[in-house]
Amino acid sequence: EAQVTQNPRYLITVTGKKLTVTCSQNMNHEYMSWYRQDPGLGLRQIYYSMNVEVTDKGDVPEGYKVSRKEKRNFPLILESPSPNQTSLYFCASSSRSSGNTIYFGEGSWLTVV
Amino acid sequence: AQSVAQPEDQVNVAEGNPLTVKCTYSVSGNPYLFWYVQYPNRGLQFLLKYITGDNLVKGSYGFEAEFNKSQTSFHLKKPSALVSDSALYFCAVRDPLKAGSYQLTFGKGTKLSVIP
Repeated sequence: EAQVTQNPRYLITVTGKKLTVTCSQNMNHEYMSWYRQDPGLGLRQIYYSMNVEVTDKGDVPEGYKVSRKEKRNFPLILESPSPNQTSLYFCASSSRSSGNTIYFGEGSWLTVV
Repeated sequence: AQSVAQPEDQVNVAEGNPLTVKCTYSVSGNPYLFWYVQYPNRGLQFLLKYITGDNLVKGSYGFEAEFNKSQTSFHLKKPSALVSDSALYFCAVRDPLKAGSYQLTFGKGTKLSVIP
């Protein structure tokens, strides 16, 4: 089954404790990205990657890092989480072969206290 | 810069009645337009898209949307609403000419409540 898998799905952490949210897709998509969803703001893009070793900032990259060492994986790293990073995070992937449709993971609820 | 507006935070409709969720967009080139649905505590599910061709596109669960270039709109519609359609709906736009063009710009979402 074609899917985008994120882990963890739910996490409560403390300010300053580094964490990583993993994302993996099994569709051989070149393009992957991370979004955050906040009430009243919709989804905003954090970072994206056009292919392995190619990453770039989205609209709200501050406080986040990413890496793309393999085509299927695109982890999101919070080096020093702060309460304003409490949000629902979505990983997404796409390619020309998917007809330009972007597929999303189930989401990761992150709470920073 | 591309943008999407969903003018209604909430839409209430009686079960069996037609529903419309509105979306307008702004993009420099010819837009790729999408609708996604989010059920409570779930991820985003793709409903339908407009890339090119027929202005009326049909998608999952009986939904359809009409691309209107002159009004820069892409309203989501369904002839007969079901209680199970109650969810949060997002319109999104992508400018294929923009660098990093897989980026979607989302509206703020419209909460649809279908009343039994």
